Amino acid sequence: NAGVTQTPKFQVLKTGQSMTLQCAQDMNHEYMSWYRQDPGMGLRLIHYSVGAGITDQGEVPNGYNVSRSTTEDFPLRLLSAAPSQTSVYFCASKRGLTYLNTEAFFGQGTRLTVV
Amino acid sequence: KQEVTQIPAALSVPEGENLVLNCSFTDSAIYNLQWFRQDPGKGLTSLLLIQSSQREQTSGRLNASLDKSSGRSTLYIAASQPGDSATYLCAVSSGGGADGLTFGKGTHLIIQP
Repeated sequence: NAGVTQTPKFQVLKTGQSMTLQCAQDMNHEYMSWYRQDPGMGLRLIHYSVGAGITDQGEVPNGYNVSRSTTEDFPLRLLSAAPSQTSVYFCASKRGLTYLNTEAFFGQGTRLTVV
Repeated sequence: KQEVTQIPAALSVPEGENLVLNCSFTDSAIYNLQWFRQDPGKGLTSLLLIQSSQREQTSGRLNASLDKSSGRSTLYIAASQPGDSATYLCAVSSGGGADGLTFGKGTHLIIQP
């Protein structure tokens, strides 16, 4: 059981470039989300999805887009990378909101550097 | 806005000691609280999940307690081992549309052999 899989593990981008961070889960979880982790800031919610076709913004959504065409996948797109987006990105999933008290599972993270 | 604070920020103890990590949150209207472990350069591993209606959860040498009314949780680690060295994160779920987790900044734990 793979759980939550993120690719790539590391990425270096130039300012202005775009890219997509991939996230896939094989647990049939309805709820998926993206967080960024910055030194001294803790993890912060970027975007989330409560099911295929439904996405919404979290605490720090600017500069990022998401879509959810399948239950399994929840990619995060950086439209025009900026140095302020240098961070470690984590994808998480859990059973849907009809199962509120459920455990969240995290991927191994993508370490992104924007130069 | 929910805020989560973890104390201490860092802790170094000799192997074999029992230790307590603290987590406090400002809004007691939570659905659950989860403790995670994060090793350097790695992802988050879930350790314990406490539902809002529960007082504690145990897994091996780990015991987590929750006092929702006072906005506090503790993670107790018994008979600490060098392999327990990691950063421990506390996160609360406050439900609502986002149902995202609000994280503390973590406690960096070092167990000296």
